[in-house]
Amino acid sequence: DSGVTQTPKHLITATGQRVTLRCSPRSGDLSVYWYQQSLDQGLQFLIQYYNGEERAKGNILERFSAQQFPDLHSELNLSSLELGDSALYFCASSPRPWTGDHYGYTFGSGTRLTVV
Amino acid sequence: QQPVQSPQAVILREGEDAVINCSSSKALYSVHWYRQKHGEAPVFLMILLKGGEQKGHDKISASFNEKKQQSSLYLTASQLSYSGTYFCGTVNSGAGSYQLTFGKGTKLSVIP
Repeated sequence: DSGVTQTPKHLITATGQRVTLRCSPRSGDLSVYWYQQSLDQGLQFLIQYYNGEERAKGNILERFSAQQFPDLHSELNLSSLELGDSALYFCASSPRPWTGDHYGYTFGSGTRLTVV
Repeated sequence: QQPVQSPQAVILREGEDAVINCSSSKALYSVHWYRQKHGEAPVFLMILLKGGEQKGHDKISASFNEKKQQSSLYLTASQLSYSGTYFCGTVNSGAGSYQLTFGKGTKLSVIP
């Protein structure tokens, strides 16, 4: 157990639907990151939050949004789902939002989303 | 800018050594290395900051050549447990943010 909790582990939904993925960071970590992993694209950075504020944005589609709550858990909302959104979505956390120190990212076990 | 990893895949026999390379077209501030086993989450191995330091983690070590904007991961006397996909992640200097961008990964298979 890495300390980063993601729910649900698996999700099957139909095209056009909306889903919410949840992440609780490791205790003491203030920064949360969302990544999408598909077979041919590797780990694609979506978005980063630190202590409730958005700090960096990657290739996140307009149909996707995220937020980090006061208790530091984060939610990733995916709407108008398409077949191509099927992927493994990882959440990771770290103590601080920068990587100028010796802390790596701790990843959760991921949510596998299948859009049918 | 996504870093480029090479090779894409490598097969080793137990006890053999391997090198995985990671290069960037932009100036690097730091490089992360992670290992992901099939169906599991990526696991942090080490981070290297600009300055060319080399770090070690059991029989796995890495170097960072700031001038060449490259990092290399060295696996010596490989064990079956080393099998998995290795990802480098890079943070570019002066990017204004600390976005960690991952390469496409190198699949390492260690066979008896």
